[in-house]
Amino acid sequence: SAVISQKPSRDICQRGTSLTIQCQVDSQVTMMFWYRQQPGQSLTLIATANQGSEATYESGFVIDKFPISRPNLTFSTLTVSNMSPEDSSIYLCSLRDPRGGGGYNEQFFGPGTRLTVL
Amino acid sequence: EDKVVQSPLSLVVHEGDTVTLNCSYEVTNFRSLLWYKQEKKAPTFLFMLTSSGIEKKSGRLSSILDKKELFSILNITATQTGDSAIYLCAVALYNQGGKLIFGQGTELSVKP
Repeated sequence: SAVISQKPSRDICQRGTSLTIQCQVDSQVTMMFWYRQQPGQSLTLIATANQGSEATYESGFVIDKFPISRPNLTFSTLTVSNMSPEDSSIYLCSLRDPRGGGGYNEQFFGPGTRLTVL
Repeated sequence: EDKVVQSPLSLVVHEGDTVTLNCSYEVTNFRSLLWYKQEKKAPTFLFMLTSSGIEKKSGRLSSILDKKELFSILNITATQTGDSAIYLCAVALYNQGGKLIFGQGTELSVKP
């Protein structure tokens, strides 16, 4: 499977600031995704990062709060803007294995970024 | 509303025990069901199931899907302390891009 790296691994931020999380993949992938896992909760999809166009956001998530960039097929960033303590979560980038056939693609996750907002 | 439900939510066993984790789903346009193991931050892929009745196996772990009854089970035999983790079940849908709908997870603790 593709190797996914994320930076930073963890961060502690002050309320009202912004943090940009980077996701790098060692091969070209069409579909990349950003998930959030709040403490004690399961994973929730934030948005699909589309290469060359705006990200597609899920219900409850907006571009002003979570701007996403996807400049090429191996890289994406997620920014958490104007942070509050409720944004404390693990943020994970994810991709679908490009080798999958017939529409059945395995999906893999990066190592995650643990964000704490004070 | 699409929903994935896992049970039990937590489980404590001793090394050597066999455990069965359950995942049921109610979704439209089911495409596949995936199992993940989450130890610290990143979920690690275990299995992807698309067809009913075909068991997927990897070492002491195995999983099977029943598309008629809308559930899947994950079995772990001869458990080890290293199996302690949260096990996540997720469902992928057609026409939803790569969106996965996750269950709440089952927290497994294996005692020596």
